Amino acid sequence: EADIYQTPRYLVIGTGKKITLECSQTMGHDKMYWYQQDPGMELHLIHYSYGVNSTEKGDLSSESTVSRIRTEHFPLTLESARPSHTSQYLCASSAGLREQYFGPGTRLTVT
Amino acid sequence: AQSVTQLGSHVSVSEGALVLLRCNYSSSVPPYLFWYVQYPNQGLQLLLKYTTGATLVKGINGFEAEFKKSETSFHLTKPSAHMSDAAEYFCAVSANFGNEKLTFGTGTRLTIIP
Repeated sequence: EADIYQTPRYLVIGTGKKITLECSQTMGHDKMYWYQQDPGMELHLIHYSYGVNSTEKGDLSSESTVSRIRTEHFPLTLESARPSHTSQYLCASSAGLREQYFGPGTRLTVT
Repeated sequence: AQSVTQLGSHVSVSEGALVLLRCNYSSSVPPYLFWYVQYPNQGLQLLLKYTTGATLVKGINGFEAEFKKSETSFHLTKPSAHMSDAAEYFCAVSANFGNEKLTFGTGTRLTIIP
């Protein structure tokens, strides 16, 4: 079973603040992903990485940025949070065959 | 390009009844297909997947799905619903080559009636 961790689980923050959502996995997976999910809605891919120093934007445009300096770590950063960023953010990783393992998610609320 | 359509955003079944969640896909190449389950305030958990080979796929918690190429479908079934099956279910598709991005359906919320 894959272990993938996200912190914090819940975050309420004011407009204009810089935030970083953490995602770590212990499986040694090369591929990692960030999804955005609004309540009752489908998942939208916003960033992905196929290895260290490799990052790409996903299908849904996002003002967030990501980095991949270590295989196990894939943080997402918002330089200036806005209410429109309120959503759930899910991190996932995979080792191949398209099977992705998901973390528990971070529910972000920007006031 | 791939896409997924899940028919029925909400499905209610009685405890012990058959569960049927529908998924149709569109893909220009042979697809890989997945069903994920999401419980409240949690991430997604893989139920089952189809890559190649046997078209009837068995997963965890008594669920199974059948890949029907002629109908471009991958419906999820369970013979007897349990209260613990109440959750959101997502069907997903990816191409069987190239990039490994998943495309998700909009999800089906399953409610179990006692």
